[in-house]
Amino acid sequence: NAGVMQNPRHLVRRRGQEARLRCSPMKGHSHVYWYRQLPEEGLKFMVYLQKENIIDESGMPKERFSAEFPKEGPSILRIQQVVRGDSAAYFCASSPGQDPRYFGPGTRLTVL
Amino acid sequence: QKEVEQNSGPLSVPEGAIASLNCTYSDRGSQSFFWYRQYSGKSPELIMSIYSNGDKEDGRFTAQLNTASQYVSLLIRDSQPSDSATYLCAVNRGNQFYFGTGTSLTVIP
Repeated sequence: NAGVMQNPRHLVRRRGQEARLRCSPMKGHSHVYWYRQLPEEGLKFMVYLQKENIIDESGMPKERFSAEFPKEGPSILRIQQVVRGDSAAYFCASSPGQDPRYFGPGTRLTVL
Repeated sequence: QKEVEQNSGPLSVPEGAIASLNCTYSDRGSQSFFWYRQYSGKSPELIMSIYSNGDKEDGRFTAQLNTASQYVSLLIRDSQPSDSATYLCAVNRGNQFYFGTGTSLTVIP
């Protein structure tokens, strides 16, 4: 899983700011998943993307959250107007096929 | 009802023993099943996948699937202290992957 890159590893934002989380999948992988993990809780599915397409965003809040996976460059998870409840670890996973095979190291978001 | 249920533990076993981790799922339409290991503060690491009823062995790990009873288990033989981690069960249905909250395993030297 060392091949999946996420940055930043730690991100601190004040309430109302924007958080932008980046995920570079392993080479050759065109499937990206985003998950959120709260302490003592399981991984919660947010969104599943393939290159330039959102396949399933049913786990993502309708407001303030958006995701993209452009033809070139990393996948981006964007959280606008962050609130304290957004504080969590956000993991992306990439795969050559349809399962979240390799996870990145995660971005730990803290909202002050 | 949660999609995936796991006993949170903690489960403690002595070094060299067999650790048995269990997971149940609610939807019979679930298609494939995965076990991940997550060390504290780290990301999940896929260790086993199983797609059909029965057992699948990989080194010291054996995954067991029983679709009639809707459970999947992971056996770790000859447990080592390095196996101490949280083990996450995940099931797949369509595009969705549902994770359990994990079972914490401690292997005592």
